[in-house]
Amino acid sequence: QSVLTQPPSVSAAPGQKVTISCSGSSSNIGNNYVSWYQQLPGTAPKLLIYENNKRPSGIPDRFSGSKSGTSATLGITGLQTGDEADYYCGTWDSSLSVWVFGGGTKLTVL
Amino acid sequence: QVQLVQSGAEVKKPGASVKVSCKASGYTFTSYGISWVRQAPGQGLEWMGWISAYNGNTNYAQKLQGRVTMTTDTSTSTAYMELRSLRSDDTAVYYCARDHMTTVTLRGPWGQGTLVTVSS
Repeated sequence: QSVLTQPPSVSAAPGQKVTISCSGSSSNIGNNYVSWYQQLPGTAPKLLIYENNKRPSGIPDRFSGSKSGTSATLGITGLQTGDEADYYCGTWDSSLSVWVFGGGTKLTVL
Repeated sequence: QVQLVQSGAEVKKPGASVKVSCKASGYTFTSYGISWVRQAPGQGLEWMGWISAYNGNTNYAQKLQGRVTMTTDTSTSTAYMELRSLRSDDTAVYYCARDHMTTVTLRGPWGQGTLVTVSS
């Protein structure tokens, strides 16, 4: 059971938009920055979004992040088959004193 | 470019120890920290702990306290993660990731991962 809650799977057609939610509490998302990671099959995770809505260099603006209260959302527009991956949210939990991840969401581009 | 290269796969028996290395290049090693994250087969990500390569300060997940030790060798820009008293549920891919010097932010980049298999 993960501290952060994500839907197990989402799907959409190529070219469409999808959003992935991440729900937490005041001890984690509510008072700390949220990051999002993309894990392509058989590879290491890669940072997509940090500090709720900032993109590292090299990440296309098709990827966006937002946060409201104790929830965060990752948005992906112009879906491509290469976007098929597992997506994880993560943040610091001030009560547990650990970095926590969501359980991961598998994106299928139909 | 920033790169983290980890040691190769390991097979260990229950009760044994494993030490995974993570060699950094492309940046000033002592200006950052290293976090360790593991992923059991078919499962999600689990943060294990963090070490500052600047001053050696550590922050371990309470679940692993007493079994894990993270160290750095600044002369070779290498971080190490040792896990003792291995159990079958420690079977996982272990990742290192570059982190902030003084706190956990997990911005990476990440190493390629090291598969540790615990089996009798």
